[in-house]
Amino acid sequence: GALVYQYPRRTICKSGTSMRMECQAVGFQATSVAWYRQSPQKTFELIALSTVNSAIKYEQNFTQEKFPISHPNLSFSSMTVLNAYLEDRGLYLCGASTGNTEVFFGKGTRLTVV
Amino acid sequence: AQSVTQPDARVTVSEGASLQLRCKYSYSATPYLFWYVQYPRQGLQLLLKYYSGDPVVQGVNSFEAEFSKSNSSFHLQKASVHWSDSAVYFCALNTNTGKLTFGDGTVLTVKP
Repeated sequence: GALVYQYPRRTICKSGTSMRMECQAVGFQATSVAWYRQSPQKTFELIALSTVNSAIKYEQNFTQEKFPISHPNLSFSSMTVLNAYLEDRGLYLCGASTGNTEVFFGKGTRLTVV
Repeated sequence: AQSVTQPDARVTVSEGASLQLRCKYSYSATPYLFWYVQYPRQGLQLLLKYYSGDPVVQGVNSFEAEFSKSNSSFHLQKASVHWSDSAVYFCALNTNTGKLTFGDGTVLTVKP
């Protein structure tokens, strides 16, 4: 079956430092990878969508300078939260898909900023 | 642009009662629709999905949802809830782009 692994599952970083999270697709080819953030008590906001061999598209309020994403092959993607502050805390989900219909999610990386 | 509205932020029902969680969407064509559940401090789990065909779709744990194009809705239902169904439920829409638009979620509390 199709599985998506994210690591780390939880992380704590000091305010102003950076934190990298990874997403691994197993059992299918992740041609598209979308990164989402769920801030405390909120819904899931799309940060950016990465499609292999295409430019990464960032949503409004999210930038490459703050959330650089790498999607080097059909099974792996990573995203870094640069210069993290309190408002960046939350659950970061990776959603991977082959084609554009069903999206498979990892269990997320929970970021705490202290 | 597409959007998903879950009009009920919180729903409380008694164990054994029936349940309906509402979801309305806005999109010019027929979307792909999903319901996800999030248990406390966890990620998302897929309950069910609608792509095309029979408007009533069955999901895990006896959940089902009915797609209505005329009403732009995709309401989630369960005949008899259990205390373990207490969680946050998200309705989501995919416009065949690989990215999902989520509703704000509905917090379900099942009273014993």
